[in-house]
Amino acid sequence: GQNIDQPTEMTATEGAIVQINCTYQTSGFNGLFWYQQHAGEAPTFLSYNVLDGLEEKGRFSSFLSRSKGYSYLLLKELQMKDSASYLCAVRDQASGTYKYIFGTGTRLKVLA
Amino acid sequence: DTEVTQTPKHLVMGMTNKKSLKCEQHMGHRAMYWYKQKAKKPPELMFVYSYEKLSINESVPSRFSPECPNSSLLNLHLHALQPEDSALYLCASSLRGGGNTEAFFGQGTRLTVV
Repeated sequence: GQNIDQPTEMTATEGAIVQINCTYQTSGFNGLFWYQQHAGEAPTFLSYNVLDGLEEKGRFSSFLSRSKGYSYLLLKELQMKDSASYLCAVRDQASGTYKYIFGTGTRLKVLA
Repeated sequence: DTEVTQTPKHLVMGMTNKKSLKCEQHMGHRAMYWYKQKAKKPPELMFVYSYEKLSINESVPSRFSPECPNSSLLNLHLHALQPEDSALYLCASSLRGGGNTEAFFGQGTRLTVV
């Protein structure tokens, strides 16, 4: 089966740094994606990891450890507009077809 | 063009109605997906189409019937739905292969079953 877990809610202050963790168990791991979703809107792609290590993209960085089944998204210099849900998604290939399975999601509130 | 377009944006239907949700992309993606998302929950995968063929059905009730008429279009036909089926229905597409190929999502159809 598949299990992808994230903290439900986090709160941080404008200008700060926040780390959102994701742990996963899947049988056909083929990459880990982070998406941002504002309420009532579509998820938008933030970052991708398939090999171990850190990927940096501006204010956002994502880390992956495949042996530990662990990833995190790091958001720096937080802005009010970063208040959103952050979704960790594993691309799974166990059935021979790629599918994107989402974690439980983390609602981030950025306070002034 | 990196857009996935879904219509309608909002839909209210009765439990005896038949309606369809539509999704369109022109990115040349050959994998297309339907997800269901309830409030404050993550998207749940319903169906995957690969090269216009249904590859994955995540045990979705038969009152939801997907269709992929061509490589750019994906439909979801709805019949005899229940109030608990009210949700945001998201369509997504991706290149079929692996690599750095994220799934692109449409804005969704917010469905209310009355």
